[in-house]
Amino acid sequence: DAGVIQSPRHEVTEMGQEVTLRCKPISGHNSLFWYRQTMMRGLELLIYFNNNVPIDDSGMPEDRFSAKMPNASFSTLKIQPSEPRDSAVYFCASRLIAGGADTQYFGPGTRLTVL
Amino acid sequence: SQQGEEDPQALSIQEGENATMNCSYKTSINNLQWYRQNSGRGLVHLILIRSNEREKHSGRLRVTLDTSKKSSSLLITASRAADTASYFCATALNSGNTPLVFGKGTRLSVIA
Repeated sequence: DAGVIQSPRHEVTEMGQEVTLRCKPISGHNSLFWYRQTMMRGLELLIYFNNNVPIDDSGMPEDRFSAKMPNASFSTLKIQPSEPRDSAVYFCASRLIAGGADTQYFGPGTRLTVL
Repeated sequence: SQQGEEDPQALSIQEGENATMNCSYKTSINNLQWYRQNSGRGLVHLILIRSNEREKHSGRLRVTLDTSKKSSSLLITASRAADTASYFCATALNSGNTPLVFGKGTRLSVIA
């Protein structure tokens, strides 16, 4: 299993541009989470999906942020327009709860720099 | 709101020593998990302890849970330079798919 796949791994863009981050969760996992990590704020949960349905987006900082999960194997996080304060590492994670186990698997992250 | 709070924020030890990190939380939980994050990488699951368990071992890791004090500790024995990383506790409030709540982490440095 390749684990959670995120792309791109690094993104440098200019303020005002649209940014799209992509995630492929582990097959069979029915929960998907988007996080943002910065030194100042730590790890923040932005939004999560259960069975492709958005459940809680209260962590999304502004209307400039949106996320979709059109099917069980793909999700996107979009920032439009981007701002310098959006610079952070964005992680996608999928979770499996089964047979007494409960494990969340994180992708490698996308390091976003907005100039 | 922050459920788990790790203590200390940073810890520096010599190779071969034991490292102990603590986590406190505020509400009842179903389970508590510990994750490790190497610099520039995603978090990796280390170990899970359920609310009805008091201690669990996995290799050089030992986790304890005291639900009366709402606290957990992670002990890494005989530390190695490769253990240098940030360690996070995360609490699951129930057995369903509500999100894990992560603390801010302890940054461990193991000096060779």
